Amino acid sequence: DGGITQSPKYLFRKEGQNVTLSCEQNLNHDAMYWYRQDPGQGLRLIYYSQIVNDFQKGDIAEGYSVSREKKESFPLTVTSAQKNPTAFYLCASSTKLAGVVEQYFGPGTRLTVT
Amino acid sequence: LAKTTQPISMDSYEGQEVNITCSHNNIATNDYITWYQQFPSQGPRFIIQGYKTKVTNEVASLFIPADRKSSTLSLPRVSLSDTAVYYCLVGEGRDDKIIFGKGTRLHILP
Repeated sequence: DGGITQSPKYLFRKEGQNVTLSCEQNLNHDAMYWYRQDPGQGLRLIYYSQIVNDFQKGDIAEGYSVSREKKESFPLTVTSAQKNPTAFYLCASSTKLAGVVEQYFGPGTRLTVT
Repeated sequence: LAKTTQPISMDSYEGQEVNITCSHNNIATNDYITWYQQFPSQGPRFIIQGYKTKVTNEVASLFIPADRKSSTLSLPRVSLSDTAVYYCLVGEGRDDKIIFGKGTRLHILP
């Protein structure tokens, strides 16, 4: 089955620790994205990558870092500099077919920092 | 990127047709209009995308007037399982920065 996997589903960390969220896709998509969602809110873009070894900041990149060493993988590190890291994190990839761009989302990782 | 405005929430009843309108007054010539559906604790799911007039698939219809300053997502004969948040996005339809707003929280009542 093709799709996007994120692991783990739930993650708990102590304040001051860096934590890395995994995102893997086997859809052969070039573009990948990380979003953050807070309760009752929409998605906010953290980082996105259109191609391997290249990525751009989204609207709320401060306190986060990413890498894109392989087409299939786009891990997100939540650093201790992120002031309010507890949230639901969603990874996505996208393809363009017949002029239509469609994003595919993973199941998400719920991060709790105490 | 064009900004979108949608109602924060809507209620409807099972079996009804639901229309959710999105305003995008600053839509650019190259922008497409895309709608996503999100259930709690899941990632959004693509519903439909269009550029002008009307687009229909097995899930929904999308109506876009000639000036393209708004669009309407139409869900025929909704069921309880259509309770979700619906997002309207406007962009150039390329593989680049894709921005979500706050969406419309649709609640279907029995």
